[in-house]
Amino acid sequence: QVQLVQSGEEVKQPGASVKVSCKASDYTFTPYTINWVRQAPGQGLEWIGWISVYNGNTNYAQRLQGRVTMTTDTSTSTAYMELRSLRSDDTAIYYCARLGTATSYYYAMDVWGQGTTVTVSS
Amino acid sequence: QSALTQPASVSGSPGQSITISCTGTSSDVGSHDLVSWYQHRPGKAPKLMIYEDTKRPSGISNRFSGSKSGNTASLTISGLQAEDEADYYCCSYAPTKNLVFGGGTKLTVL
Repeated sequence: QVQLVQSGEEVKQPGASVKVSCKASDYTFTPYTINWVRQAPGQGLEWIGWISVYNGNTNYAQRLQGRVTMTTDTSTSTAYMELRSLRSDDTAIYYCARLGTATSYYYAMDVWGQGTTVTVSS
Repeated sequence: QSALTQPASVSGSPGQSITISCTGTSSDVGSHDLVSWYQHRPGKAPKLMIYEDTKRPSGISNRFSGSKSGNTASLTISGLQAEDEADYYCCSYAPTKNLVFGGGTKLTVL
């Protein structure tokens, strides 16, 4: 079935980088945009940014500009989110999610990955 | 502080109806018909419940409905069931900020 499968749990030290992957299956990868969303412990959902698989255009949340990079590999239908200069407040569950198109679920996230826990601790 | 304002918690008894509000501005909620709602249970991925303000994805119970008036969107759950207990988030397209979430509402079924 249509799904997004994310990479496993990560534990990083402050100042390090983390790269989370999100592999799509059972749908055509290219026409869609992949969003990244995170949830810190005890907090709500926070939009991190998105990447258009079709043309590689990205938009990042202002508070993470300069530390986050999103990429895709269309040969493997995989999206990546790299976060650099990690801080303790980056500790969160990170989700990838497919953004709907103008013909279906416009600007809504209809398919979600299972989440990747990233812990930043010394 | 989240861009969209939701009540921190709501509660209801089985069979009752509840409504969760989501207040934004003319720059987000009020700008387009592009508010979506997500159900989030602990340890699970969020689940799309409503999109484009009022539309329900296939497979979502018709007990869930969405509406909007001006800069405030609402999610109504009728015939409340124990399985509806979860956190609910609204999310809106905002031309200058792309996507913004509400702070989330914890629904307790008494």
